[in-house]
Amino acid sequence: KQEVTQIPAALSVPEGENLVLNCSFTDSAIYNLQWFRQDPGKGLTSLLLIQSSQREQTSGRLNASLDKSSGRSTLYIAASQPGDSATYLCAIYSGYALNFGKGTSLLVTP
Amino acid sequence: GAGVSQTPSNKVTEKGKYVELRCDPISGHTALYWYRQSLGQGPEFLIYFQGTGAADDSGLPNDRFFAVRPEGSVSTLKIQRTERGDSAVYLCASSSDRDGGYTFGSGTRLTVV
Repeated sequence: KQEVTQIPAALSVPEGENLVLNCSFTDSAIYNLQWFRQDPGKGLTSLLLIQSSQREQTSGRLNASLDKSSGRSTLYIAASQPGDSATYLCAIYSGYALNFGKGTSLLVTP
Repeated sequence: GAGVSQTPSNKVTEKGKYVELRCDPISGHTALYWYRQSLGQGPEFLIYFQGTGAADDSGLPNDRFFAVRPEGSVSTLKIQRTERGDSAVYLCASSSDRDGGYTFGSGTRLTVV
């Protein structure tokens, strides 16, 4: 079974900092990887989707990379803002179902 | 619709009661998934529908849980004889194909008292 691990579990940074969230997975046979954002008490909002043939995807201040051979993905957030505070979840699709990590809880302080 | 709709958004029920949770996926999406999320955890897979059939129900925790999707669109997750341990947020997602990514609803927060 695909195991997904996210590090760190929690992160607090001052506004304006660039930061990196990490996701690792045990089985490199994946179809795609998706990063989600979850605000407290809310559902999941898709941020970036990387197909298995791609190395990275960018959207605004967000950049996600994928290295299947090492079983890793990173989510880079540039110039962080207090509105970025949320839980970020990494999910792997291997043709079965989405397997999620436990998430990284991010707090950006003004 | 424009997104995945889940109703109700909150449900409080007494232990032992029966509940139904509804998911209305994005129009045209053939794949529909149910997940359960406990506090501080990532979502856990429950069941996957491709069209009207349950392609994989291996995530359902026991036989008190059942889901249907009779016309290949709306799905209902049914929980019998609810227990306090069933309290969680139940999330539904739909997808058009395996490369298209997933769109999640806002979830139903179930509390069993």
